[in-house]
Amino acid sequence: RKEVEQDPGPFNVPEGATVAFNCTYSNSASQSFFWYRQDCRKEPKLLMSVYSSGNEDGRFTAQLNRASQYISLLIRDSKLSDSATYLCVGVNTDKLIFGTGTRLQVFP
Amino acid sequence: DVKVTQSSRYLVKRTGEKVFLECVQDMDHENMFWYRQDPGLGLRLIYFSYDVKMKEKGDIPEGYSVSREKKERFSLILESASTNQTSMYLCASSHYNEQFFGPGTRLTVL
Repeated sequence: RKEVEQDPGPFNVPEGATVAFNCTYSNSASQSFFWYRQDCRKEPKLLMSVYSSGNEDGRFTAQLNRASQYISLLIRDSKLSDSATYLCVGVNTDKLIFGTGTRLQVFP
Repeated sequence: DVKVTQSSRYLVKRTGEKVFLECVQDMDHENMFWYRQDPGLGLRLIYFSYDVKMKEKGDIPEGYSVSREKKERFSLILESASTNQTSMYLCASSHYNEQFFGPGTRLTVL
């Protein structure tokens, strides 16, 4: 079983929709989590950190559920520019463990 | 502005060749990493370094070696390239847990 697992998608949603991605992790010792965004043929870039209390950055909300060992990312009012692959990332002994990514395609 | 650069965007090599992939960061970060990214497998850690002349094996070090002679430079070496090393190679440096990636090198081994 992979340490961080994501649904690969693709999620095809219209502009303005709300979309949510989940990610599960197997190592309860993982200390921190992040969401990275990767555009086609580009490098990954940090989107946001994930805190136990949940955190929000504009249209993006990230949640961590330690009891069930999953992380979520909610995107409200989707834009065409949100089309990308979203990587769920856990931290284990100072190394980042990347999920394989969930692909989002927002259409007009 | 944070910057990680890699020596080549695209590289084509032949089986058995020695290949050098260079990575330079200008952020004075202690930590540097080399990953490869393949469809369906995500990013996998090859080697990392927490300091000059220091290196640690990642999850898939076989067939690779690294060199860190200066803080800003971290090189990945394929001693004898093989076709299964065809991949996208990404270098990163980090401050705490946020990693900054270079643009990647797409390596094809024929």
